[in-house]
Amino acid sequence: QVQLQESGPGLVKPSETLSLTCTVSGGSVYTGSYYWSWIRQPPGKGLEWIGDIYYTGTTNYSPSLKSRVTISVDTSKNQFALKVNSATTADTAVYYCARTPGHSYGWFDYWGQGTLVTVSS
Amino acid sequence: EIVLTQSPGTLSLSPGERATLSCRASQSVSNTYLAWYQQKCGQAPRLLIKGASSRATGIPDRFSGSGSGTDFTLTISRLEAEDFAVYYCQQYGSSPSTFGQGTRLEIK
Repeated sequence: QVQLQESGPGLVKPSETLSLTCTVSGGSVYTGSYYWSWIRQPPGKGLEWIGDIYYTGTTNYSPSLKSRVTISVDTSKNQFALKVNSATTADTAVYYCARTPGHSYGWFDYWGQGTLVTVSS
Repeated sequence: EIVLTQSPGTLSLSPGERATLSCRASQSVSNTYLAWYQQKCGQAPRLLIKGASSRATGIPDRFSGSGSGTDFTLTISRLEAEDFAVYYCQQYGSSPSTFGQGTRLEIK
């Protein structure tokens, strides 16, 4: 059974970089069968797809965040990561990592439990 | 970007009743690439349906999905207590993938 776990600071100051890591267990990120995704959910609101990455390092980002987001993969650690530059209070959300079968920007079959990141001074 | 509109915003029903949730897209969803998720308070979403009508592994058969083009439906045939939650649809036919705003299914 694949498991995903997000980790990183729960509090980020405005204008700083939000950084999270997703550790995958029970499976490998080094596989051609899946993409690895980030999704976020502001408190009390709906879900927003941020972007995803293939094991080769190929990425796909939401246009609304593309200028500030970087997703990377570390196959040696079986992890992938998210960075959001120039964070604002609008980036306050629960951030989820997830596995995406098949193709980029696809559906999500396994999710991490989520981690709340608050952007505040 | 495809905008998904879910209706109703809130649905109040009793256990044993049938629930019908709607998801309408602003343009046609390619290949019926439409998924449904269930989210309970404080938990990650759980995949119910992919490809508009294909149940995910372990999902009870009281959950069914249908539709194509711009109109999709999630039906729960006989509600059980554990089904009261928020439901989201997601289209993945074109990038960026987008979600509906959710339907809250509450106990009447």
